[in-house]
Amino acid sequence: DQQVKQNSPSLSVQEGRISILNCDYTNSMFDYFLWYKKYPAEGPTFLISISSIKDKNEDGRFTVFLNKSAKHLSLHIVPSQPGDSAVYFCAANIPNTGNQFYFGTGTSLTVIP
Amino acid sequence: EPEVTQTPSHQVTQMGQEVILRCVPISNHLYFYWYRQILGQKVEFLVSFYNNEISEKSEIFDDQFSVERPDGSNFTLKIRSTKLEDSAMYFCASSPLAGWYTQYFGPGTRLTVL
Repeated sequence: DQQVKQNSPSLSVQEGRISILNCDYTNSMFDYFLWYKKYPAEGPTFLISISSIKDKNEDGRFTVFLNKSAKHLSLHIVPSQPGDSAVYFCAANIPNTGNQFYFGTGTSLTVIP
Repeated sequence: EPEVTQTPSHQVTQMGQEVILRCVPISNHLYFYWYRQILGQKVEFLVSFYNNEISEKSEIFDDQFSVERPDGSNFTLKIRSTKLEDSAMYFCASSPLAGWYTQYFGPGTRLTVL
């Protein structure tokens, strides 16, 4: 049951460049998507979200893009900073399911100074 | 800034024993959740709780599991008879009524079943 997939387990980017993290989903019922960031020995921290009625949401250095027809979303971080090095999870929600979120397997981002 | 806290940070138990994992959600939040992450795997939803009852549970959350909000601050996950495959990191989360989609996670409890 892999309804949310992050096909890249790891990504390395130079400081100052753009980081692009990708997420694909299979369930067309998903209507709300989130990105979480996780440092070792900590719980996931909410980063940014997007509703299915939008195709883009921006918050500072972070932008999430949603392509509903392709069932694909991406997180862009620009410029990338060493403190962004963490595991990034995308998560998706089906309405009226008790706020249950389906998580991807995560992408480990390393930003090289 | 308010945060979700969890105790203990690490719990070691023998197979077949009962464990209770404890969480203190953010005080004005009304939705509470438990998730788990087996080492190297994805974060998996277990259960959501609202208005003193379970609002949704996954197929993982079988009769071995139960949740309780015994007072106004704590939210617990009980595993009645632990199995080896219950070894995982267990995360508690909470969210407010408005902005329910923003779930705030605790640091997790690592459960090791021997």
